[in-house]
Formats: sequence, C-alpha cells, structure tokens
Amino acid sequence: GAVVSQHPSRVICKSGTSVKIECRSLDFQATTMFWYRQFPKKSLMLMATSNEGSKATYEQGVEKDKFLINHASLTLSTLTVTSAHPEDSSFYICSAGSGGTSTDTQYFGPGTRLTVL
Amino acid sequence: AQKITQTQPGMFVQEKEAVTLDCTYDTSDPSYGLFWYKQPSSGEMIFLIYQGSYDQQNATEGRYSLNFQKARKSANLVISASQLGDSAMYFCAMREGRGFNKFYFGSGTKLNVKP
Repeated sequence: GAVVSQHPSRVICKSGTSVKIECRSLDFQATTMFWYRQFPKKSLMLMATSNEGSKATYEQGVEKDKFLINHASLTLSTLTVTSAHPEDSSFYICSAGSGGTSTDTQYFGPGTRLTVL
Repeated sequence: AQKITQTQPGMFVQEKEAVTLDCTYDTSDPSYGLFWYKQPSSGEMIFLIYQGSYDQQNATEGRYSLNFQKARKSANLVISASQLGDSAMYFCAMREGRGFNKFYFGSGTKLNVKP
C-alpha cells in the first residue's frame, strides 16, 4: 500500500507552546489528507479534512484557531497545535488518499503522541 | 444513529482458529465503501480489506475475508488461522459516496489471540 509518514513520532512540550506535526505522502500525491485524534482505548475522532491549496474543513466542535492545518503541497500537510495545554495531550494520526485506485482507500501515518506538561 | 457499530469491545480466540469480528453500518447512500483496519499497540493503522457497495462478491485478502450482507447492512471481518501477531484493535470504517470523503469509524474490537 501507499506510504504515509508523520513527524515527530513523539513530542513533549510545555504548556503554552505550539507544536507542529507533519504528515507526508511518500510515494503518491494526496489532494486530500485527514487529521484524527485518538484517546487511549478509544476510536479515531476526525478533526479536519485538509485539501491542497484551500482551507481545511473542520468537524463540529474542533477549534480551528487552536488546531491550524496547512496543506501546502500535494505531499505535505501540517497540523499546528497552538498554545498547547495538558488536555491537548493525545495521539494524533493523519491519513491520505491514494488516487488512481477504485477503492479510494485512506492510508494512515504512524501517528504522533503529544504530551503537554 | 451511529454510522458504524461494533458491538464486541473485546474478543478472545485460540491460535490457529478462525474469528469473526462484527460490524454493522447505517447509510442511505447507495454508493459506499467499507474498510477494516488493524491497530497494534504501536498505534499505526494498517489497512486490511475493502468492500464496495456494488461488489457482488465478498472481498478476500490472504487470511482476511469480509462477510458482506448488504440487506442486513453488516460487514463482518473473518480472520482465518489466527496468529499471535493478530492481537490488536480492529476498526471497521465506512466512506459514503466515492472519492476521498471522510471515514466514519466504529468503536473498535480488541482481539486477543491465545497461544
């Protein structure tokens, strides 16, 4: 399957700082990427849909000013958690759609574990 | 109503035996896709199998098969000859329509394979 990378895999930061997470499609171009958040032992919660060259579409209840998404190219989307607080600690996963297939499957990155102290 | 329902929070299976993980879905869109993902403790979501709403046959991928019953709106995952490495969380997901629309995920099933 298609390969999606995320960086960093883990990050620990102090409360009040901003953290940027990168999501890259390594062997395909992705016009659409998705950002999810996952709490321990829970399912994935979609935060936003990121479209290359346009503004992201946020799910209800997700603060767009707190979770800034930029999809600057067909292979890179970034999620910036601004002024992070301990309640933002979570596992963040991105996914990207690989075109040219009949299934429109989303392939996921390995995830980023964020801990805010 | 929930788009995807997984009613088994946890399952145990003996190594080398088959196991079925349940998934039901709810949609009024005639075109949709159903997916199963495996999430080991490392956290990565691994794509396992896909079933399209218009597919006439059940999807199969190696030891994985999808028991698609359209009238009952169920898409159960069958794992044959379970291995210890199959122990993980399994998520069922649905995409409505075609293209890269958002996925709806179920709450997941934790599968434990016993030696």
